[in-house]
Amino acid sequence: AQSVTQPDIHITVSEGASLELRCNYSYGATPYLFWYVQSPGQGLQLLLKYFSGDTLVQGIKGFEAEFKRSQSSFNLRKPSVHWSDAAEYFCAAGVKTSYDKVIFGPGTSLSVIP
Amino acid sequence: DAMVIQNPRYQVTQFGKPVTLSCSQTLNHNVMYWYQQKSSQAPKLLFHYYDKDFNNEADTPDNFQSRRPNTSFCFLDIRSPGLGDAAMYLCATSRVGEGRETQYFGPGTRLLVL
Repeated sequence: AQSVTQPDIHITVSEGASLELRCNYSYGATPYLFWYVQSPGQGLQLLLKYFSGDTLVQGIKGFEAEFKRSQSSFNLRKPSVHWSDAAEYFCAAGVKTSYDKVIFGPGTSLSVIP
Repeated sequence: DAMVIQNPRYQVTQFGKPVTLSCSQTLNHNVMYWYQQKSSQAPKLLFHYYDKDFNNEADTPDNFQSRRPNTSFCFLDIRSPGLGDAAMYLCATSRVGEGRETQYFGPGTRLLVL
């Protein structure tokens, strides 16, 4: 079955520290992959996406993600975290059907210590 | 800016009293989605419209209905809200066929059932 896992339910980092959020997917082919961020009480904002080509993808707000086919992973990174990055982060896989079905991971909650 | 708009941002209703949530988009996307998101959970797809074609997820309760009178607007109707329907409701859109099948989300409507 198609699935997306995010092993870390909650992560706490200090402001200025580096960040890596993990994501693994299970799918027969290479899906489209996304990272979304959700601030409290807000909708989901697209950070970045991978469809094909260069496996290192740059996104907004200084985030990047690397697709590793051999590990079925799409981890999100940021070299220096800001307090405003505290939010919920969702990894998602786009599955090709008659429409753009998206399978979400359970999310990782990020807390930032000043 | 092209965007997905949801009104109202907060909705309070009474147990059993029908309620309608609204979504509009200026992206001219052909697919519109409704998700339900409960606290600390990933969004759960309720249904979507591909142009005028309605597609219900198998586990969406009959209490939830949707209307799409034109390309720009889509409504979520909850016929008899129960306490368990209190959640964030997210609208999203995408354009199928351009090879860039990405879902864009609105800010959400927080529903409270008294």
